[in-house]
Amino acid sequence: EAQVTQNPRYLITVTGKKLTVTCSQNMNHEYMSWYRQDPGLGLRQIYYSMNVEVTDKGDVPEGYKVSRKEKRNFPLILESPSPNQTSLYFCASSLSWGSGSYEQYFGPGTRLTVT
Amino acid sequence: AQTVTQSQPEMSVQEAETVTLSCTYDTSESDYYLFWYKQPPSRQMILVIRQEAYKQQNATENRFSVNFQKAAKSFSLKISDSQLGDAAMYFCAYRSQVYNNNDMRFGAGTRLTVKP
Repeated sequence: EAQVTQNPRYLITVTGKKLTVTCSQNMNHEYMSWYRQDPGLGLRQIYYSMNVEVTDKGDVPEGYKVSRKEKRNFPLILESPSPNQTSLYFCASSLSWGSGSYEQYFGPGTRLTVT
Repeated sequence: AQTVTQSQPEMSVQEAETVTLSCTYDTSESDYYLFWYKQPPSRQMILVIRQEAYKQQNATENRFSVNFQKAAKSFSLKISDSQLGDAAMYFCAYRSQVYNNNDMRFGAGTRLTVKP
């Protein structure tokens, strides 16, 4: 089954404790992206990757890191989480970012709470 | 930067009736895609319908259709014969088609309630 998986689905942590949210897709997609969803703000892009070893900042990259060492995986790293990073996080992928490949497939979301 | 505005935080509709969700966007680009995503309580993001800006014909997907007004920068979603399963948060989204422009923007969402 074609899908984007994220782990963990739920996470409660404390300020400053490094964490990683994993994202994996099995569709051989080149493009992957991370979003955060907050009430009243919709989804905002954190980071994206056009292909292996190619990443770039989205609208709200502060406090986050990513890496893309393999095509299928795109982990999101919070080196020192703070309470303002409490949010719902989505990973998404698409075949590429060119014409005709516009549909993004979303993971199930990760609910993160930082106390 | 492009912006997407959904002016209706909440909407409600009676089962079997029709409801229209509004979306406006701001862009200086001529080539782009527009989307409506549905997010049910499960939180999964589900693509409902998409529209290419160069197409004048409004997209339709079964009970879902859009009214795309390019000059007015408006992209509303019409749900006909509403069903209880349509209850969800709906997000309007814009994606640039400009080469190497990664811009994808979402509106704040409209929560749709369906009354039996």
